[in-house]
Amino acid sequence: DIQMTQSPSSLSASVGDRVTITCRASQSISNYLNWYQQRPGKAPDLLIFGVFNLQSGVPSRFSGSGSGTDFTLTIDSLQPDDFATYYCHQSYSSPHTFGLGTKLEIK
Amino acid sequence: QVQLQESGPGLVKPSQTLSLTCTVSGGSINSDSYYWNWIRQPAGKGLEWIGRFYSIGSTRYNPTLKSRVTISVDTSKNQFSLRLTSVTAADTAVYYCARSGDGGYDFDYWGQGILVTVSS
Repeated sequence: DIQMTQSPSSLSASVGDRVTITCRASQSISNYLNWYQQRPGKAPDLLIFGVFNLQSGVPSRFSGSGSGTDFTLTIDSLQPDDFATYYCHQSYSSPHTFGLGTKLEIK
Repeated sequence: QVQLQESGPGLVKPSQTLSLTCTVSGGSINSDSYYWNWIRQPAGKGLEWIGRFYSIGSTRYNPTLKSRVTISVDTSKNQFSLRLTSVTAADTAVYYCARSGDGGYDFDYWGQGILVTVSS
């Protein structure tokens, strides 16, 4: 199985801050890297697919980058609605695997 | 707008079989452009992919669960189902159904999730 190492596991930030979350795959996953946002008690929502493609309706302050094994999710100018947990996901090979999540909290 | 909705018992006894159904609306489960997945999440923990069904009748399962899992489809009802046998407390989780495309295989539509507790 491909292991997805996500960091940090938690992050405190303020409204207006820029934050970056990283995800490292245990082997190359080409561009099969996706990011999800999950709010408490809700299903995950797809934010970014294929490393950098924003899902329809996702604000442009979210961006993704990377290739091979190292990937990042960046959120510019944090909004109150952005405080949630974020997961990376590799869809390169079966079984699909996820990072353990990054909980973004208000400072 | 595609919607998915999980249904099934919220409580299952240890050693018994967990059975859940996902009803899909707004799109055909017969489409050969999509995969239909089950994913679970224990309370306070991360996401675990259980397996998927493809419209041509192929399935793929997570090896950690493969011996206990069956995913099947009822095209007449536009539903797909999960069966997990010999459950233990470790199977207690929120179970999600989700759709993925045959391009990047990202999960673009999810059900709201259903909590299944394994307890006597």
